[in-house]
Amino acid sequence: SAVISQKPSRDICQRGTSLTIQCQVDSQVTMMFWYRQQPGQSLTLIATANQGSEATYESGFVIDKFPISRPNLTFSTLTVSNMSPEDSSIYLCSVAIGMGAFFGQGTRLTVV
Amino acid sequence: GNSVTQMEGPVTLSEEAFLTINCTYTATGYPSLFWYVQYPGEGLQLLLKATKADDKGSNKGFEATYRKETTSFHLEKGSVQVSDSAVYFCALSDHQTGANNLFFGTGTRLTVIP
Repeated sequence: SAVISQKPSRDICQRGTSLTIQCQVDSQVTMMFWYRQQPGQSLTLIATANQGSEATYESGFVIDKFPISRPNLTFSTLTVSNMSPEDSSIYLCSVAIGMGAFFGQGTRLTVV
Repeated sequence: GNSVTQMEGPVTLSEEAFLTINCTYTATGYPSLFWYVQYPGEGLQLLLKATKADDKGSNKGFEATYRKETTSFHLEKGSVQVSDSAVYFCALSDHQTGANNLFFGTGTRLTVIP
């Protein structure tokens, strides 16, 4: 298993600004994932972040909007850039260990 | 492609009632199947999983059987409790594609009333 700490847990941001979300894992993992959970909807994968390489983005998500860092095997950040109200969501960090995935508690972002 | 179709909620049950939440999937390979639970104010937690056909995952009184012939992974519990109130997500991971990311259903909110 893994313990994932994510912060901030929530934030209210002005449109046009950027927010960086941090994800810390208590063990070294190769792959880390960033998901978005829009209000009333399911989780959608934003990107996969491997240490030492560029993140791989899913269709509909681009690096300029959601830049990701992965400086080591226990840490990653996701930045939500130039925010608009449509970016209001819960953002979750996840790691895959064996056949399972473990999630942080999420960052609830509200853009006003 | 990979997708998960999950019974829409919300579902409201009385305590000790029988619960079924339907989940069907499509996958390009041979997926592993999962149920995740999100309790109020908390993050997603793995509830149970099954990695091959006919496997049964179970945890905390919940069960789900991987049915390849019907591409289903329905979640069941014989007697729900108020503490089971949460949102339940069915998910799959298609390892044949080499990916470890999860594809989620839309989630089903369960409310159990005393």
